[in-house]
Amino acid sequence: QQQVKQSPQSLIVQKGGISIINCAYENTAFDYFPWYQQFPGKGPALLIAIRPDVSEKKEGRFTISFNKSAKQFSLHIMDSQPGDSATYFCAASTGTNAGKSTFGDGTTLTVKP
Amino acid sequence: EAGVAQSPRYKIIEKRQSVAFWCNPISGHATLYWYQQILGQGPKLLIQFQNNGVVDDSQLPKDRFSAERLKGVDSTLKIQPAKLEDSAVYLCASSFAGPGELFFGEGSRLTVL
Repeated sequence: QQQVKQSPQSLIVQKGGISIINCAYENTAFDYFPWYQQFPGKGPALLIAIRPDVSEKKEGRFTISFNKSAKQFSLHIMDSQPGDSATYFCAASTGTNAGKSTFGDGTTLTVKP
Repeated sequence: EAGVAQSPRYKIIEKRQSVAFWCNPISGHATLYWYQQILGQGPKLLIQFQNNGVVDDSQLPKDRFSAERLKGVDSTLKIQPAKLEDSAVYLCASSFAGPGELFFGEGSRLTVL
């Protein structure tokens, strides 16, 4: 059972544009929602994370928007740069065990110069 | 600060052979995870250790996969005998006990022919 559904599978954006990646979850017990960035040949690295007590979290050019009633959350990358080209994974976990995360299948982002 | 170390980075074996992967987590991290990442998919948790005890191995195919974490530090993941569908990147991650960021290694890419 796919508990975290991520879309789109791939995304091409022009430099300076906004990249938006969406995720939907099923398990209402999830209470920690991180986004990971993965470059080819590297392991995923935490980019930004949110808990459901807030609807938005911003760190630099990266923003998570969270809609608890719709069970959806999204990553917005403002002023996208070629260096942002990578695969992005959303994830969700319950309780205090952030490491036991269920991951989406990833979005490959390409930012064209 | 040294990151999560994994070896080997690449391994090619024939089906029914065995293989072992090694992981050295970040110093002081009590929790260690092994994830399997099949091409085009998000990481899937195989096993979680807290110090040298197993917290969760519900997704580990125990008929062929085994893992141990001696003295609560290094860990090895073994596959015996390997199947074609085991071709994947095996990611090791660690974190402090409780909630918080996951730190991933660069992974070990396994190809089973």
